[in-house]
Amino acid sequence: QVQLQESGPGLVKPSETLSLTCTVSGDSSSRFYWTWIRQTAGKGLEWIGRISGSGSTDYNPSLKSRVTMSRDTSKNQFSLRLTSLTAADTAIYYCATIGAPGRWYFDSWGQGTHVTVSP
Amino acid sequence: DIVMTQSPATLSVSPGERATLSCRASQSISSNLAWYQQKPGQAPRLLIYGASTRATGIPDRISGSGSGTEFTLTISSLQSQDSAVYYCQQYGDWQSLTFGGGTKVEIK
Repeated sequence: QVQLQESGPGLVKPSETLSLTCTVSGDSSSRFYWTWIRQTAGKGLEWIGRISGSGSTDYNPSLKSRVTMSRDTSKNQFSLRLTSLTAADTAIYYCATIGAPGRWYFDSWGQGTHVTVSP
Repeated sequence: DIVMTQSPATLSVSPGERATLSCRASQSISSNLAWYQQKPGQAPRLLIYGASTRATGIPDRISGSGSGTEFTLTISSLQSQDSAVYYCQQYGDWQSLTFGGGTKVEIK
C-alpha cells in the first residue's frame, strides 16, 4: 500500500506560480508513475500530467505550456509547478499513482489540497 | 481529446434496487476504462479498471461492462453507503487521459 499527502499554499495570486508537493509513504517502489489531477466545479476532474520513476514526464496538452513536474526520490516526494495562474486554476489538486505500464488509471489518491487563485 | 459522456446526471434509487450508470466515449477505447466513486470531502476511489475488473476490496455487487464506446457500471443492490458521485475515465488515449462529468447516485 502507498499513502500520498499533498502540501502547498491554499491561496495564490493571479499571474503567479503554484508549487505543490506530494509526499509518498509506504511501498512506493511498486508504483510506476506519479501523477497530478485537479477537480474544479466547472470542468470536473482533469488530468494534469505524470512523472515516472526515471523522471520522464507527460503532460495534458491543454496545460503543457504551463506545467512542470519533478521528483526528489531521496525525500519520497514529487512536485507540480503551474505558472501564469488565473481564477480558472482554482481547484482541489490531487496527487495519485499509476500502478503499471499500460494501466493508465489511478489506483491510490491523496486526500487533495484546495487551491484558490485570488488577488 | 476523447470526450467521455455520462448519463444520467443524477440517479435516485431505492435501497436494495439496482442502479445502472452509463458512460460513452467519443471514439473507441477498447476496454481501457476505469470507474471511480467519490463521496463528499473525499478523493475519488478506484472501483473498476479494464472496464470490468474490480479493484481490491470492491464488493461483487458492483460490476462493470462494455467495450468500444459504450460502458455500464451496475450496483446490483443499492446500499446507503453507495450514495456518491461516480466517474468514468478513459485511458485508451494514454497521452491525454480524460474523465466523464459524473453521475450522482442518491438513495430514495
